[in-house]
Amino acid sequence: QSALTQPASVSGSPGQSITISCTGTSSDVGSYNFVSWYQQHPGKAPKLIIYEGTKGPLGVSNRFSGSKSGNTASLTISGLQAEDEADYYCCSYAGSSTWVFGGGTKVTVL
Amino acid sequence: QVQLVQSGAEVKKPGASVKLSCRASGYTFTNYYMQWVRQAPGQGLEWMGMINPSGGGAWYTQKFQGRLILTRDTSTSTIYMELSSLRSEDTAVYYCARDGDGYNGGIAYWGQGTLVTVSS
Repeated sequence: QSALTQPASVSGSPGQSITISCTGTSSDVGSYNFVSWYQQHPGKAPKLIIYEGTKGPLGVSNRFSGSKSGNTASLTISGLQAEDEADYYCCSYAGSSTWVFGGGTKVTVL
Repeated sequence: QVQLVQSGAEVKKPGASVKLSCRASGYTFTNYYMQWVRQAPGQGLEWMGMINPSGGGAWYTQKFQGRLILTRDTSTSTIYMELSSLRSEDTAVYYCARDGDGYNGGIAYWGQGTLVTVSS
């Protein structure tokens, strides 16, 4: 299994919306509605922000939203805030009880 | 509350094996699959494998087939990850992790991470 493809970096100004793409194949993202997204600040464990493609866990800001079209999943952060500056990873079920992560995207708040 | 407590940092020579542990508490151990994810310095997350603590069945990503073994001890609510034939590229922080309740595939609980350094 190859890692899912994410842009290396995305940036935006406070208050803006940004979108991070996560491109897989018909064997992972395209076949299952089990895409999750994680936020990771330096030196910390990842934090779940979206699961099953579009659902937000309890306690996570609704400024984070997920979607999917074909083999590509997307994470949108609306109303960008300084605290959103972090690395973001997508993850998809890949069949046969295995999962695959994306390469990660560094979000910079200008 | 759910807690995953991992064993301490390890330093190994190339070709050696390492065995890490992850002790779970705060929930029924056998009710949730456990996963292992690693992160090399400055790199992204990498999914390694998953174990069913109830039956002991395990699944591994192809990259680690033959080199990775996941086991569990239900008497101590502990899972173990053994990686053999270590090379420098295996230097990473290794996390055990568990889905949140009802969060299919969404990892809500992470261990604190264990740094494994492979160096001659």
